[in-house]
Formats: sequence, C-alpha cells, structure tokens
Amino acid sequence: NAGVTQTPKFQVLKTGQSMTLQCAQDMNHEYMSWYRQDPGMGLRLIHYSVGAGITDQGEVPNGYNVSRSTTEDFPLRLLSAAPSQTSVYFCASSYEGQAHTGELFFGEGSRLTVL
Amino acid sequence: AQKVTQAQTEISVVEKEDVTLDCVYETRDTTYYLFWYKQPPSGELVFLIRRNSFDEQNEISGRYSWNFQKSTSSFNFTITASQVVDSAVYFCALITTSGTYKYIFGTGTRLKVLA
Repeated sequence: NAGVTQTPKFQVLKTGQSMTLQCAQDMNHEYMSWYRQDPGMGLRLIHYSVGAGITDQGEVPNGYNVSRSTTEDFPLRLLSAAPSQTSVYFCASSYEGQAHTGELFFGEGSRLTVL
Repeated sequence: AQKVTQAQTEISVVEKEDVTLDCVYETRDTTYYLFWYKQPPSGELVFLIRRNSFDEQNEISGRYSWNFQKSTSSFNFTITASQVVDSAVYFCALITTSGTYKYIFGTGTRLKVLA
C-alpha cells in the first residue's frame, strides 16, 4: 500500500521556470490537498479538492494552479517560479465520507528551491 | 474565522521529564475536529490523534495524553516521561464541518528532549 506519493523529492528551479509537483494516492480518498511548510509558519493550505473535477483555493493560492481529473492524482503547478516559493511542499489526502474531516495522510514532501 | 495558536515555539526538556504542548483554537462552528501531528527530524508528518468537538473525554495512549477543554478552547498534549525519540515538531490542527473543507494548522512547537 503506497499511500500518498509525491514526486520529485527535491527540485531546484530558476526564477521564471515552471514545474509540476506530482501527487498520487491509492486509497480512493476524495479529499486531496497541498500545503507549504516554511520556518515559523507551520503548514499553510495552498489548494484543495473534494473530488475529481472540483478544486478550491486555500490560504496561499497565488502562483499555484491545480487540477483534479482523477480521484488518484492532484498535481500542483508553478507557472513562473519565484524565490518566495522556495519551501517544502506536502500533499495530503483524507477520507471521512462527505464531511472530509478525517485524518490527513501526507506524502513525504518535496523540497523546492527557486534561485 | 478559524485559527489555531501554538504559542510555544520551542521547548527543551531533559529525558524522563513530563512536557505539555499547548494548543488553543478559535472557531464559531459547533462541530469540528482537532488533530495532533508529529514531524520528526526525518520530515514526514505522522498522525497522532483526532478528536471531535462533542467528545471532551481525555485520551491516553501509552506515554501520550490529550486534554480537550471546550471551555478554554484548548486541546493540549502531554508526553509523560519524555524520551529522545520524542524530539520533533508537533502540530495542532482544526477542521470544521461548515463546508469550507480547510484544515487549519498551528505554527508548530519544536520539542527537544535532551539525554
């Protein structure tokens, strides 16, 4: 049982480059989400999805796009990377019926550095 | 608005001491869930507990215990007889059933247990 898989684990970008962080889960969870973790800031929600075809913004969505074409996958796109997007990114999924209030299952994280 | 406050940025204790990590939350919703997660130095996020707003019973799991008090909007976490392996960052989180589907995390408390 793989759980939540994030790729890549490490990435270095130059300012202005684009990239996609991949996230896949094999638990048939409807809810998926992306967080960024910065020192002293905790985990901040970027975008989330409560099912295929449904996405919504979290606390810090600017500079990021998401899509949810399947239940399993929830990629996070940086269209034009900026140094302020240097962070550790976590994908997470959960299941609690339609209430979406269950424990979060996290990926291992992706460390992104933007030069 | 919902908010989670972990006022203790960093705590250092000597092995075998007891330590309490504080979590204060804010929400106007009557139905909500509270969580604690552990992030060891390796970086992964580990689920510890989920508690709903209607269950104020304290919970004990081995050396871990949780005290939920709605009157003070607190969900504190105590580690009894701390061990070096307890050294980690601990996050408290909140989600309500209001339909926003946004998990709100505190900024975390770094616990250092010294041998």
